[in-house]
Amino acid sequence: DAKTTQPNSMESNEEEPVHLPCNHSTISGTDYIHWYRQLPSQGPEYVIHGLTSNVNNRMASLAIAEDRKSSTLILHRATLRDAAVYYCIQDSGGGADGLTFGKGTHLIIQP
Amino acid sequence: GAVVSQHPSRVICKSGTSVKIECRSLDFQATTMFWYRQFPKQSLMLMATSNEGSKATYEQGVEKDKFLINHASLTLSTLTVTSAHPEDSSFYICSVPGQKGNEKLFFGSGTQLSVL
Repeated sequence: DAKTTQPNSMESNEEEPVHLPCNHSTISGTDYIHWYRQLPSQGPEYVIHGLTSNVNNRMASLAIAEDRKSSTLILHRATLRDAAVYYCIQDSGGGADGLTFGKGTHLIIQP
Repeated sequence: GAVVSQHPSRVICKSGTSVKIECRSLDFQATTMFWYRQFPKQSLMLMATSNEGSKATYEQGVEKDKFLINHASLTLSTLTVTSAHPEDSSFYICSVPGQKGNEKLFFGSGTQLSVL
């Protein structure tokens, strides 16, 4: 079973920042948080991941709470192409394990 | 560019026939690949782990005789849906563990199977 909880859906306006929350209250010290997104009729796409510190890349930023029981994916300036289902995944497995997906958040972007 | 190539992207077949889906790792060798299934408006569910040169490991509730997995080389895994029925209609996605960079898994583009 998925170890994270996310809102079913969120709506935002184009060119505005989006904050997607995720709760992972059972996280242990060595568990990573991964974010993937899935556009319609496509396979998931990597967005970002982190362990303890906040992370930034060209796609997004990941803010991890100090107690690590929650995190927020930040899209700094949403575009229509960012409309997708965003999955937050708590990963306690090794390199040979797959990822367990929850239901994710369906992000709707309004023009 | 794409790291994982999955074919076909879409297939329609008659009930009772078998369908083969290919997953190729383009950039690096993969001793392990993963097969997921996704029903409409649902999340991805891991079906099985494909192991190069040995038997696949199936998740609970997945019939190994129905979903045949072959991982004969370090760059190719195939999933064959045998004697397909309408309830097997789904979106099948393969993935390959990342070996460099930040991505734990690279995903194929998926195969939409429709069984009539």
